[in-house]
Amino acid sequence: NAGVTQTPKFQVLKTGQSMTLQCAQDMNHEYMSWYRQDPGMGLRLIHYSVGAGITDQGEVPNGYNVSRSTTEDFPLRLLSAAPSQTSVYFCASSRWDGTYEQYFGPGTRLTVT
Amino acid sequence: KNEVEQSPQNLTAQEGEFITINCSYSVGISALHWLQQHPGGGIVSLFMLSSGKKKHGRLIATINIQEKHSSLHITASHPRDSAVYICAVRSNTGNQFYFGTGTSLTVIP
Repeated sequence: NAGVTQTPKFQVLKTGQSMTLQCAQDMNHEYMSWYRQDPGMGLRLIHYSVGAGITDQGEVPNGYNVSRSTTEDFPLRLLSAAPSQTSVYFCASSRWDGTYEQYFGPGTRLTVT
Repeated sequence: KNEVEQSPQNLTAQEGEFITINCSYSVGISALHWLQQHPGGGIVSLFMLSSGKKKHGRLIATINIQEKHSSLHITASHPRDSAVYICAVRSNTGNQFYFGTGTSLTVIP
């Protein structure tokens, strides 16, 4: 199993550009989520999904879109990048059967200039 | 407001010392997780607790549901334990996780 994979690992964007961060898992997990990690703050939930076709907003959803067309993939779209979106982004997945142990991807470091 | 608070924020220990990291939370939970983030950035799950105590090797995690408090203990600490340790809780009223800001541990040989 590859676990949770994320691409790209690093990205630099100019203000106003759009891009998609890719996340995939091969563990057949129902729950997938996107977090951002900023210095001095804990991981904060952006969006999550409890299954294909079902998504919901987390704590900091503004400026981001998600979709879940398959169990495996959960891409995060930045619609119009802003410097405030400079952060490290983590995707995670878990079973949704009471254990909820989360498996994290390696992270994407995004800089918006 | 922070749903999850950790202490201390930073911790330096000599190799072999017993280490305790504390986590307090303010929401109702269905589970509490301890995570480890290595200097390279990768995050791995150490424990998931809903009650009592769990032990993996030199790591022990406890939770007191009534007091809304959990502790992570490392016995006989080693330099390879140097990492950021993160406490996270899953709310029992929704599908969200809340995270502490982490405790940065450095173990000196």
